[in-house]
Amino acid sequence: AQSVTQLGSHVSVSEGALVLLRCNYSSSVPPYLFWYVQYPNQGLQLLLKYTSAATLVKGINGFEAEFKKSETSFHLTKPSAHMSDAAEYFCAVSATNSGYSTLTFGKGTMLLVSP
Amino acid sequence: DVKVTQSSRYLVKRTGEKVFLECVQDMDHENMFWYRQDPGLGLRLIYFSYDVKMKEKGDIPEGYSVSREKKERFSLILESASTNQTSMYLCASRTGQGRQPQHFGDGTRLSIL
Repeated sequence: AQSVTQLGSHVSVSEGALVLLRCNYSSSVPPYLFWYVQYPNQGLQLLLKYTSAATLVKGINGFEAEFKKSETSFHLTKPSAHMSDAAEYFCAVSATNSGYSTLTFGKGTMLLVSP
Repeated sequence: DVKVTQSSRYLVKRTGEKVFLECVQDMDHENMFWYRQDPGLGLRLIYFSYDVKMKEKGDIPEGYSVSREKKERFSLILESASTNQTSMYLCASRTGQGRQPQHFGDGTRLSIL
């Protein structure tokens, strides 16, 4: 079975500060990992994905995430927060590449950015 | 870009009604998914389909059914709507490979009165 834990339901940062959103996963096999962002009243948009190539993955809007197998983590970072980054962020894991595989999502972290 | 279109952004129905939520994707994806999203609970999978006329239960299928008669369309059906089914419903599609990302529609906010 696979699971995802996102530490902190809300994270507050100031504009220009480092953004760090934490994600830990459990999976019995090497996983595929995803970060999604959701703006108010919208669906989820893919930020980045890890599919067993480079462990440091760069995504859209200046975000990146590092896969650390020893820590079973896939934390999302951005060097300098912008007001437009305020949104809810979801980490998700898929255990296999089969057509029957599904995503397991974390409960989400709301990022609040203050001026 | 993949386009996943959900037929309604907002919907209000009464308890006991049969409710249909429609989802269409334009990328010939094999897999389609229905989720519900509730505050503090994240996304929970209701049903998914890996081919036309094929369906699999997700984590919370009770009170729901689905239909996939054509590859591009995946319908979620609330057989007899209840107030605890008030939620945001999200549809997604994906190719047949689990390593590929799912692409989401904008969601339907459903209220059952």
